[in-house]
Amino acid sequence: LAKTTQPISMDSYEGQEVNITCSHNNIATNDYITWYQQFPSQGPRFIIQGYKTKVTNEVASLFIPADRKSSTLSLPRVSLSDTAVYYCLVGDPQGGKLIFGQGTELSVKP
Amino acid sequence: GAVVSQHPSWVICKSGTSVKIECRSLDFQATTMFWYRQFPKQSLMLMATSNEGSKATYEQGVEKDKFLINHASLTLSTLTVTSAHPEDSSFYICSAAREGRNQPQHFGDGTRLSIL
Repeated sequence: LAKTTQPISMDSYEGQEVNITCSHNNIATNDYITWYQQFPSQGPRFIIQGYKTKVTNEVASLFIPADRKSSTLSLPRVSLSDTAVYYCLVGDPQGGKLIFGQGTELSVKP
Repeated sequence: GAVVSQHPSWVICKSGTSVKIECRSLDFQATTMFWYRQFPKQSLMLMATSNEGSKATYEQGVEKDKFLINHASLTLSTLTVTSAHPEDSSFYICSAAREGRNQPQHFGDGTRLSIL
């Protein structure tokens, strides 16, 4: 199975940029890398996905190096409401299963 | 939009009861639906994947006779926990995706199942 590594937790302050990295050394060649946000007692919410290089939308950017062994979710100018758990989702190269990372609990302080 | 509705959001029932959870994609056709289980402070664990009109594919260690999945239409999948016991208590979450391997999954808000 593809193995992923995310920091368990991160602290930040309002207005700062936050970068969360997911390391995934062996993922399916053709699959996108996807990131989700989850609040307590809710389902995950789609943030962004990409295949290589940089992708940006209205809420985040995603950086994926050429070797695709990691991906970094960048949240510009976080606010208190960005306090949540953030998960990467990658594809396993054998069997095609999609696997969630362990999640990073982001705490944004005033 | 891509809205997924999951019901009920909370169930408390006695041991031995069967519980059905519904997952509906409200504004898109979901070729594939996924069912997850999540324990406190842990990541999502995939239980099974279902494609409309086909039998679900269960992950290793998930009892298919215990967790019955039906994906009868492009907008509805159900998970039935049969003869539930306290160890089945958990947070169950469904997701739905349009056709295409790299289509993102869109999640329901989960069902908190408590078996007494």
